Amino acid sequence: GDSVTQMEGPVTLSEEAFLTINCTYTATGYPSLFWYVQYPGEGLQLLLKATKADDKGSNKGFEATYRKETTSFHLEKGSVQVSDSAVYFCALIAGGTSYGKLTFGQGTILTVHP
Amino acid sequence: DTEVTQTPKHLVMGMTNKKSLKCEQHMGHRAMYWYKQKAKKPPELMFVYSYEKLSINESVPSRFSPECPNSSLLNLHLHALQPEDSALYLCASSQRTSGGLNIQYFGAGTRLSVL
Repeated sequence: GDSVTQMEGPVTLSEEAFLTINCTYTATGYPSLFWYVQYPGEGLQLLLKATKADDKGSNKGFEATYRKETTSFHLEKGSVQVSDSAVYFCALIAGGTSYGKLTFGQGTILTVHP
Repeated sequence: DTEVTQTPKHLVMGMTNKKSLKCEQHMGHRAMYWYKQKAKKPPELMFVYSYEKLSINESVPSRFSPECPNSSLLNLHLHALQPEDSALYLCASSQRTSGGLNIQYFGAGTRLSVL
């Protein structure tokens, strides 16, 4: 079945540090890939997406590139801020799916200290 | 505008109560979803509606009853819940359920406590 594996957290960084959260996937067909962010006490916000190989999604300084050869979609940001503290979920929708079930990774808690 | 609005934000109910959760979107999306999220876990899909028809029920107990009165509105009726049903309930919507049009936008959720 389809699955998403994220790096174990929590991740703790100082402000302005470089962030990488690893995400790899297993899926049938050609999946669409997503990063969602959940701030404390809130719902999920779509952070970025990619629908085909070598697509780069970017938003708010975050980037991720769809790598079909390594089945990965790692999230990066060059300089994190305290306001980036949240839970980050990598997710996919398998290609050819008729009802669009999102398969999530377990989530990575990020804490950024001043 | 990618706003999905959920009400109420918080709900406390007893095991014999009947209550409803409400979700609205005005983006013209034709697919709507209910998810359940326990603390420190990813969301779990419960129901999918496509063009106001229930297309997926992920083996959810009958004490949860979804309803889609029109293309903008999705309800989740709750009855005889158990304490383990306490969770954050998230609604999402997308243009369609398939292909590149399935980009799901989530509401802020309803935090439910069952006493």
